[in-house]
Amino acid sequence: DGGITQSPKYLFRKEGQNVTLSCEQNLNHDAMYWYRQDPGQGLRLIYYSQIVNDFQKGDIAEGYSVSREKKESFPLTVTSAQKNPTAFYLCASRTGTATGELFFGEGSRLTVL
Amino acid sequence: GENVEQHPSTLSVQEGDSAVIKCTYSDSASNYFPWYKQELGKRPQLIIDIRSNVGEKKDQRIAVTLNKTAKHFSLHITETQPEDSAVYFCAASNGGSGNTGKLIFGQGTTLQVKP
Repeated sequence: DGGITQSPKYLFRKEGQNVTLSCEQNLNHDAMYWYRQDPGQGLRLIYYSQIVNDFQKGDIAEGYSVSREKKESFPLTVTSAQKNPTAFYLCASRTGTATGELFFGEGSRLTVL
Repeated sequence: GENVEQHPSTLSVQEGDSAVIKCTYSDSASNYFPWYKQELGKRPQLIIDIRSNVGEKKDQRIAVTLNKTAKHFSLHITETQPEDSAVYFCAASNGGSGNTGKLIFGQGTTLQVKP
């Protein structure tokens, strides 16, 4: 069953700890994205990758890091430098064309206590 | 960089009425404009998109219009039904040569259709 899988669905962490959110896709998509969703602010782009071993910062990259060692995987690390990390995080992927449909995962809700 | 503004933030209509959501974009090079629907607790899903070489596109009760000169595009939903209640996001990207692949979203509109 093809799709994009995020884990964990819910995550609680103490302030000052780094956390890594997983994103895996078996759609053979070249491009992968991480968005942050906050009420009233829509979907804001954190990082994106159009090809393996390459990625670019989005609009709110500060305090986050990513890697793209495999085509199928694009993990996001929320570091202790992120000032307000509590949010809903969405991973997405699409084919290499910039006008292809974006397929989203079900999201990961991170709460920092 | 690209900026997308979306209005209104909330919209409440009676079942059967029409709903219109409007977006403006800043990058004149943008040429791809999709709309996504996110039902409560679910992932966003594409409902319709338009490219800059056309001014309007329809799919049953949903239509999107694009005004390149004014740099705005709109989503029109006719004969609204309770199942249309959701958050709707517009987005814009530049799909031309040398594009960065970035898709920038608006702030979202929460549509409530009252039975």
